[in-house]
Amino acid sequence: ELKVEQNPLFLSMQEGKNYTIYCNYSTTSDRLYWYRQDPGKSLESLFVLLSNGAVKQEGRLMASLDTKARLSTLHITAAVHDLSATYFCAVDIETSGSRLTFGEGTQLTVNP
Amino acid sequence: ETGVTQTPRHLVMGMTNKKSLKCEQHLGHNAMYWYKQSAKKPLELMFVYNFKEQTENNSVPSRFSPECPNSSHLFLHLHTLQPEDSALYLCASSPRDRGLVETQYFGPGTRLLVL
Repeated sequence: ELKVEQNPLFLSMQEGKNYTIYCNYSTTSDRLYWYRQDPGKSLESLFVLLSNGAVKQEGRLMASLDTKARLSTLHITAAVHDLSATYFCAVDIETSGSRLTFGEGTQLTVNP
Repeated sequence: ETGVTQTPRHLVMGMTNKKSLKCEQHLGHNAMYWYKQSAKKPLELMFVYNFKEQTENNSVPSRFSPECPNSSHLFLHLHTLQPEDSALYLCASSPRDRGLVETQYFGPGTRLLVL
């Protein structure tokens, strides 16, 4: 059974600081997704990582994938309050189609 | 957010009621999904439909009954639910097309409370 673990589960940080969220998974996969969820809202797709060494950046967020280590990271640079949300990683092991297994989520709070 | 819509957005029902959740996607996708999101738990995949055919039932109790009349619509019929079924129910869709990246797009969810 595929297990996806995120850490930390809760992260409180100050504006302007940097931090990294980690996503470990237990089975070989080369498709990993990061989603953002605001309170009371649905999930918004942030990044799709499709190969070993893939790196994607959007604004203050950068995601990377190491399939050999079964690890993805979401790096936050110079955090701002608007980044406060819950971030989920999800791993897809389906060879044709999509079957996502989600991590528990990291609840990020950026304080002024 | 208009790509995948869900109705109702909020629902309160008694344990003896029968209700249905509706999901519609306007993205031309061929796969649709139901997820359950409970407090302090990861999203749980419930059902998967590819090209209107159910391809996965993730050990979901029979009090939840999905229906997919076409590739754009997905329903979740609810009957004799339990209080522990209270959760946010999310619908998603994905292309299921070899030429496209299989990203799942989520609807806004239905917040369900079972009394």
